[in-house]
Amino acid sequence: KAGVTQTPRYLIKTRGQQVTLSCSPISGHRSVSWYQQTPGQGLQFLFEYFSETQRNKGNFPGRFSGRQFSNSRSEMNVSTLELGDSALYLCASSFGTGDNSPLHFGNGTRLTVT
Amino acid sequence: KNEVEQSPQNLTAQEGEFITINCSYSVGISALHWLQQHPGGGIVSLFMLSSGKKKHGRLIATINIQEKHSSLHITASHPRDSAVYICAVAANTGNQFYFGTGTSLTVIP
Repeated sequence: KAGVTQTPRYLIKTRGQQVTLSCSPISGHRSVSWYQQTPGQGLQFLFEYFSETQRNKGNFPGRFSGRQFSNSRSEMNVSTLELGDSALYLCASSFGTGDNSPLHFGNGTRLTVT
Repeated sequence: KNEVEQSPQNLTAQEGEFITINCSYSVGISALHWLQQHPGGGIVSLFMLSSGKKKHGRLIATINIQEKHSSLHITASHPRDSAVYICAVAANTGNQFYFGTGTSLTVIP
């Protein structure tokens, strides 16, 4: 069974631009959650989607948004990029939601904002 | 205010030693996850707990819901166990996820 696939692996963007990251979950998994990891703040929860509906959202500004498609693939969008958005962005999929199913993580997308 | 506190932050052990990493949390939870992250970023889920104890190979995880505390034990530690171990909780209000800052473990041969 293929694991969680995140694309692209690396991305360099300029301040003010926008970016879209993609996450393909394990086949059969209906939940996709997104996380930001930085050296200063560690891992932080962005949002979780389950069956195309946003189930919950962390404390991030509205510049961070996401969606989930009918095949459970998910995208995350960050608009008006700031230097502080430089981070490793991880997604995880699970069969159920994160409060009742183990999480399976992708390898992440490393975003650098210059 | 950190909803999840881990200790110790850093841990160095000799190969073969018994290791314990602790996690305390301040919110009501639906589940607690123990994660392992190797250099390079990849995260692996080790355990998901909502009560009691789970064992997988040399790893044991326990949780005490009343005391809001969980421990991860590694028996007969090995250099390949060197990684960052992260405790994460799924809060039962607001459906939020909170993470500890991680415990960096180095096992010396």
